[in-house]
Amino acid sequence: ETGVTQSPTHLIKTRGQQVTLRCSSQSGHNTVSWYQQALGQGPQFIFQYYREEENGRGNFPPRFSGLQFPNYSSELNVNALELDDSALYLCASSLAGARAGELFFGEGSRLTVL
Amino acid sequence: DAKTTQPNSMESNEEEPVHLPCNHSTISGTDYIHWYRQLPSQGPEYVIHGLTSNVNNRMASLAIAEDRKSSTLILHRATLRDAAVYYCILREWSGGSNYKLTFGKGTLLTVNP
Repeated sequence: ETGVTQSPTHLIKTRGQQVTLRCSSQSGHNTVSWYQQALGQGPQFIFQYYREEENGRGNFPPRFSGLQFPNYSSELNVNALELDDSALYLCASSLAGARAGELFFGEGSRLTVL
Repeated sequence: DAKTTQPNSMESNEEEPVHLPCNHSTISGTDYIHWYRQLPSQGPEYVIHGLTSNVNNRMASLAIAEDRKSSTLILHRATLRDAAVYYCILREWSGGSNYKLTFGKGTLLTVNP
């Protein structure tokens, strides 16, 4: 039990719609990052939030956006959904700092876009 | 992005040691070497990490080459529960709290009873 919880666990959307995925960080962790994992691939870094500000981003378009709240929980928003957005979306929390070690991942939200 | 190279798959027998190799020839001085594993339908799970010296924990050992261009994850006695995809990752740090993990495709470990 990592303490990172994500919701919803599964959802189905259609092209052009918008989706919001939620993540509750492990207690005491002030950094959250989001990853997209397509079937058969490794997770791909979307972005990271530290103290409510985005401080790192991968190669994802602006329609992927996020928020981090004062309690360090987080949201991932995806606008104008495309078929290729179908994937497992993973949230990970950690303590900030260059020497910080492990990331704690949730079990993910599986998004299907029809 | 810093890259790692791993075999696509490996096979082991239960209760035997497993050595999972990883090449990371473009590693920079501030990159930590991380290993995660992912069981089916679960998020990745941290296994171990290191910078220069070999590391041991309750799950595994990490052997890092002197030039840091390769590393090996060692599972001392494989069990059926160790069957998973193992990811070798360079944790890139670009200052302050800004760091990220770049996952590859990983190594699918099969453990035979």
